[in-house]
Amino acid sequence: DGGITQSPKYLFRKEGQNVTLSCEQNLNHDAMYWYRQDPGQGLRLIYYSQIVNDFQKGDIAEGYSVSREKKESFPLTVTSAQKNPTAFYLCASSRNDGKSNYGYTFGSGTRLTVV
Amino acid sequence: SQKIEQNSEALNIQEGKTATLTCNYTNYSPAYLQWYRQDPGRGPVFLLLIRENEKEKRKERLKVTFDTTLKQSLFHITASQPADSATYLCALFTGGGNKLTFGTGTQLKVEL
Repeated sequence: DGGITQSPKYLFRKEGQNVTLSCEQNLNHDAMYWYRQDPGQGLRLIYYSQIVNDFQKGDIAEGYSVSREKKESFPLTVTSAQKNPTAFYLCASSRNDGKSNYGYTFGSGTRLTVV
Repeated sequence: SQKIEQNSEALNIQEGKTATLTCNYTNYSPAYLQWYRQDPGRGPVFLLLIRENEKEKRKERLKVTFDTTLKQSLFHITASQPADSATYLCALFTGGGNKLTFGTGTQLKVEL
């Protein structure tokens, strides 16, 4: 079955450390996205990529970095510059046919906690 | 400023009744609007997409309306069941590309 796999499910980070969240999809989707979800604030877009080797900043990109070297993979690095990284991180993918007819497919999320 | 507003208070209804959730937006002119379901600790699941030229869309017990004059979408679940209890998110395509901007969601609780 096709889908998106995020790992790990839970991640603990010490202050000052960089951590990388994994996102892999086998849906053959061109576009991939990273969102952050905090209680009462909904989903906020961090970065997105519409094609391999290209990505754009979302609304809250500061303190994060991404890469898109393969179509299937879109890892997110939370750097030490991110002041409040504790959150639920969601990766999604979608077709990118320019018609916007399809919904996103989301992974099951990674809950990051700074200790 | 641009806003997508959903009722932050939980909606509690009895099993078998119709649940109606509201999504209002300002300063957007979306061509599409989507609804998602999210269960605790899980990623959202896509339910329905409605285009600006469609007044209504149905899928099984779900119905979505889209009024671009009122800048509002209504999401209905008929014959609701306890298994429908979840948070429901509306989302708009905003800006270029396929970027979705999400509302904060409304929690629905269906009681026996």
